[in-house]
Amino acid sequence: KQEVTQIPAALSVPEGENLVLNCSFTDSAIYNLQWFRQDPGKGLTSLLLIQSSQREQTSGRLNASLDKSSGRSTLYIAASQPGDSATYLCAVDETSGSRLTFGEGTQLTVNP
Amino acid sequence: KAGVTQTPRYLIKTRGQQVTLSCSPISGHRSVSWYQQTPGQGLQFLFEYFSETQRNKGNFPGRFSGRQFSNSRSEMNVSTLELGDSALYLCASSFGQPFYGYTFGSGTRLTVV
Repeated sequence: KQEVTQIPAALSVPEGENLVLNCSFTDSAIYNLQWFRQDPGKGLTSLLLIQSSQREQTSGRLNASLDKSSGRSTLYIAASQPGDSATYLCAVDETSGSRLTFGEGTQLTVNP
Repeated sequence: KAGVTQTPRYLIKTRGQQVTLSCSPISGHRSVSWYQQTPGQGLQFLFEYFSETQRNKGNFPGRFSGRQFSNSRSEMNVSTLELGDSALYLCASSFGQPFYGYTFGSGTRLTVV
């Protein structure tokens, strides 16, 4: 059974800092991995999708990497801003579009 | 283009009642999946429908059911509600193949009293 772990559970940083969120998964037979952001009481906003054949994806200040063999992904946020404050969720897809297994999330607070 | 639409946004029900939640996917998306989010269990997969067929099912009791219509809209039903069913229910849609990722709706907040 796939298990996804995110470290740290919570993170508080001053504005402007670069930071790294970590995600690990137990079964490397995945089709893709997706990072999401969730604001309190809201739905999920997709940030980055990494297909199993890819090593990384970038969007603006965000960069996500994937190492399938070691079961790890990292989300790098450059020059953090207070608006980045949210919970960040990592999810792996073992079924190519049918089902996601989520981590517990990292709650990020960026202080002005 | 319109996103994934879930209705209603909020719902309060009494124990023992049943409830139906609705999800309209992005136009052209044929896959709809449902997730339950609670503080204690996080996000858990309920089921997924593709072209009106259930392709995948999570580990939830039979009180949780769903269906998908020919226009890809989906409904999930929970019968005999329990207090523990209080949660945020999220729907996600995707195109199918090729796969471009999941898009989630804003969710339905269900409170069972």
